[in-house]
Amino acid sequence: AQSVTQLDSQVPVFEEAPVELRCNYSSSVSVYLFWYVQYPNQGLQLLLKYLSGSTLVKSINGFEAEFNKSQTSFHLRKPSVHISDTAEYFCAVISDTGRRALTFGSGTRLQVQP
Amino acid sequence: DTGVSQDPRHKITKRGQNVTFRCDPISEHNRLYWYRQTLGQGPEFLTYFQNEAQLEKSRLLSDRFSAERPKGSFSTLEIQRTEQGDSAMYLCASSSQGNQPQHFGDGTRLSIL
Repeated sequence: AQSVTQLDSQVPVFEEAPVELRCNYSSSVSVYLFWYVQYPNQGLQLLLKYLSGSTLVKSINGFEAEFNKSQTSFHLRKPSVHISDTAEYFCAVISDTGRRALTFGSGTRLQVQP
Repeated sequence: DTGVSQDPRHKITKRGQNVTFRCDPISEHNRLYWYRQTLGQGPEFLTYFQNEAQLEKSRLLSDRFSAERPKGSFSTLEIQRTEQGDSAMYLCASSSQGNQPQHFGDGTRLSIL
């Protein structure tokens, strides 16, 4: 079984400031990692994925995340946030054992203030 | 790619009634998933189909819940004798083979009066 911990339930930040949303996971087997973003009254949109290869993955809108196997972490970062980044962010893992269920963290609410 | 489509977007019903939700996955995706999300929480896995076969079910899926994907295309999730605790957002997702990511619909929000 695996679990995901998102340590911060809310992160307030001013516009154009950097931000880091933390994600740690626990698993007895290898995992694949994802970040999803959810805007109010909408479903989840894939932001980033780590399947293999380079441990630093980047999105088209300036977010990046780094897979750290020794720390079992997959923190999400952005050097300069915009008002439009205000949303709920979910970290998720899936094992490579063949089970298809995503295990999600409880989410981090990013609140960007002007 | 028209995305994952879910219907209805909102459903309000009285306790004890039956409800059915529909999910249309991305057309070339053979895998389909149902999740439930309660307020302030991340989604929780309910069940998974590969084509028409239901391959995995969570313990959350009580005997009042049933899901089908009869022709390997759209899927339905039915809840019988709804209870207050069933109030949640029900999310559908689909994916292709391998470890490709799951793509989610906008969900059906169920409110039990």
